[in-house]
Amino acid sequence: ETGVTQTPRHLVMGMTNKKSLKCEQHLGHNAMYWYKQSAKKPLELMFVYSLEERVENNSVPSRFSPECPNSSHLFLHLHTLQPEDSALYLCASSQDRMSTDTQYFGPGTRLTVL
Amino acid sequence: AQSVTQLGSHVSVSEGALVLLRCNYSSSVPPYLFWYVQYPNQGLQLLLKYTSAATLVKGINGFEAEFKKSETSFHLTKPSAHMSDAAEYFCAVSDSGGSYIPTFGRGTSLIVHP
Repeated sequence: ETGVTQTPRHLVMGMTNKKSLKCEQHLGHNAMYWYKQSAKKPLELMFVYSLEERVENNSVPSRFSPECPNSSHLFLHLHTLQPEDSALYLCASSQDRMSTDTQYFGPGTRLTVL
Repeated sequence: AQSVTQLGSHVSVSEGALVLLRCNYSSSVPPYLFWYVQYPNQGLQLLLKYTSAATLVKGINGFEAEFKKSETSFHLTKPSAHMSDAAEYFCAVSDSGGSYIPTFGRGTSLIVHP
């Protein structure tokens, strides 16, 4: 595998379920990000991790819980979600946290909350 | 503070015609500017970026963009559209003043007609 991978690609869950999204980067990068992409809205940054330490938490509800066990893996744990949480969740990585850094995105997980 | 405006949520061109996607930014410090492309069912991929070197930036797939400080613009162009260029295009800005997290525009969907 190369680049940034995400699993699962599609997820349907009920409001009472608990599920997790997984992201893995094979680029040796130090920073990883979770974004939410909803139709016709700008990308919403959710969390940023740098060297496994959470450095940004962009006022995200507590029903979303990130985890970064090492610099290559990032998880987003989901519980008691709402239908408005249905969206494409994108993981990204960058070499460091520099303003000039390119972000490398995974293909996303399409989440539907029933 | 920084922001990005992409004029036109949809742009439609014929195959072989000029592609022009507009991006205007607002930033209190010199900006760094990016164009990303998102093909269906994929994550975002960098097309090109401006990081205060040459104002005319060439990217992948024949795209280029010109940074115009006086117009606060960073429009994306391609001389001749291909069917394979049909995708969603995102302009993003980060700044040189320390905020490494890019702000993304709402995106422009490029439609290419045969």
